Amino acid sequence: EAQVTQNPRYLITVTGKKLTVTCSQNMNHEYMSWYRQDPGLGLRQIYYSMNVEVTDKGDVPEGYKVSRKEKRNFPLILESPSPNQTSLYFCATSGLAGDEQFFGPGTRLTVL
Amino acid sequence: AQSVTQLGSHVSVSEGALVLLRCNYSSSVPPYLFWYVQYPNQGLQLLLKYTSAATLVKGINGFEAEFKKSETSFHLTKPSAHMSDAAEYFCAVSFNAGGTSYGKLTFGQGTILTVHP
Repeated sequence: EAQVTQNPRYLITVTGKKLTVTCSQNMNHEYMSWYRQDPGLGLRQIYYSMNVEVTDKGDVPEGYKVSRKEKRNFPLILESPSPNQTSLYFCATSGLAGDEQFFGPGTRLTVL
Repeated sequence: AQSVTQLGSHVSVSEGALVLLRCNYSSSVPPYLFWYVQYPNQGLQLLLKYTSAATLVKGINGFEAEFKKSETSFHLTKPSAHMSDAAEYFCAVSFNAGGTSYGKLTFGQGTILTVHP
């Protein structure tokens, strides 16, 4: 079954404690992306990757890092989380940039 | 730069009534346009997409949207609302071309659709 998985699904942490949200896809897609969803703001792109070792900033990259060492994985790293990073995070993939994106189930992050 | 504006953060209709969710976009090059739906506590699911073929696009669950270049619009419609259509709907724009925006998908703010019995 084609799917995008994210872990963890829920996370409560404290300010400054480094964390990683993993994203994995089994569709052999080249393009992967991270979004955050906040009420009234829709989804905003954090980072995207067009292929292994190729990443670029989206609209709201501050405070986040990503890496793309393998085609199937695209982890999101928060080196020093702050309360304003409390949000719902989605990973998405597509076969081509500009094509339909397939979304993971989301990770709800709370930073205290 | 590209942007999307969804008119109306909340839309309420009666079951059986027409659904109209409005989306206007701004893009410096020919766009790809999408409508996604998000049911409570779920991820986003593609309803339909426009990628420069037919201007009237049919999607899943009876939804359709029409690309109007002159109005820079991509409104979503459904002739008869069903209770199961209650969800949040997002319009998004992208384009497939070279340049710094390559691969970027920009979403609107979302419209919550409520369907009354």
